[in-house]
Amino acid sequence: GAVVSQHPSWVICKSGTSVKIECRSLDFQATTMFWYRQFPKQSLMLMATSNEGSKATYEQGVEKDKFLINHASLTLSTLTVTSAHPEDSSFYICSARFLNRDRDNEQYFGPGTRLTVT
Amino acid sequence: AQTVTQSQPEMSVQEAETVTLSCTYDTSESDYYLFWYKQPPSRQMILVIRQEAYKQQNATENRFSVNFQKAAKSFSLKISDSQLGDAAMYFCAYSPPGGYQKVTFGTGTKLQVIP
Repeated sequence: GAVVSQHPSWVICKSGTSVKIECRSLDFQATTMFWYRQFPKQSLMLMATSNEGSKATYEQGVEKDKFLINHASLTLSTLTVTSAHPEDSSFYICSARFLNRDRDNEQYFGPGTRLTVT
Repeated sequence: AQTVTQSQPEMSVQEAETVTLSCTYDTSESDYYLFWYKQPPSRQMILVIRQEAYKQQNATENRFSVNFQKAAKSFSLKISDSQLGDAAMYFCAYSPPGGYQKVTFGTGTKLQVIP
């Protein structure tokens, strides 16, 4: 159990276009979903926290108009990188937390999405 | 703000030996959770072990155990009988209680396992 999927796993897009990344919790309902960005050989940097049915909370320095997050259901959150530029190239990881109280601090990660902007 | 510090950027261990990865954290909270995550070359984050701060007993998961020193704000990971598959980045992480609370990660320790 506790499987989180991400789609696509790898995407290449041209500068100026938008790309959407999906994050799904496959076998559980997630209280909250998180979006991270990871540069090579670095730690995970939290971009935003997403709760179902409400607006995402963005970390300081993250452009909310550039990184649009939609959490439409307890099993799906999407991250849209709008007007992507080469500096947006990175590895994006989502995670989901259990709705069940007994495990509400367990965070399970998707496999990540590698975005390359040319 | 909470911070998590991993002072060992890289560690190595001989196969079948034991290695300890260090982690310290800073918080003013009394109730919180601590985690160790593994990130192999595939980059999939895998939960290795977790510890609730209110529990004095150190968590164990098969070959993985922690030494949780609450007063010292220290949370080290011991890997016994190291295997080649243990080679990965290991991240220490902290979270307040509550499913909506964010997790703070350390900078990571790259573990190399030598055959």
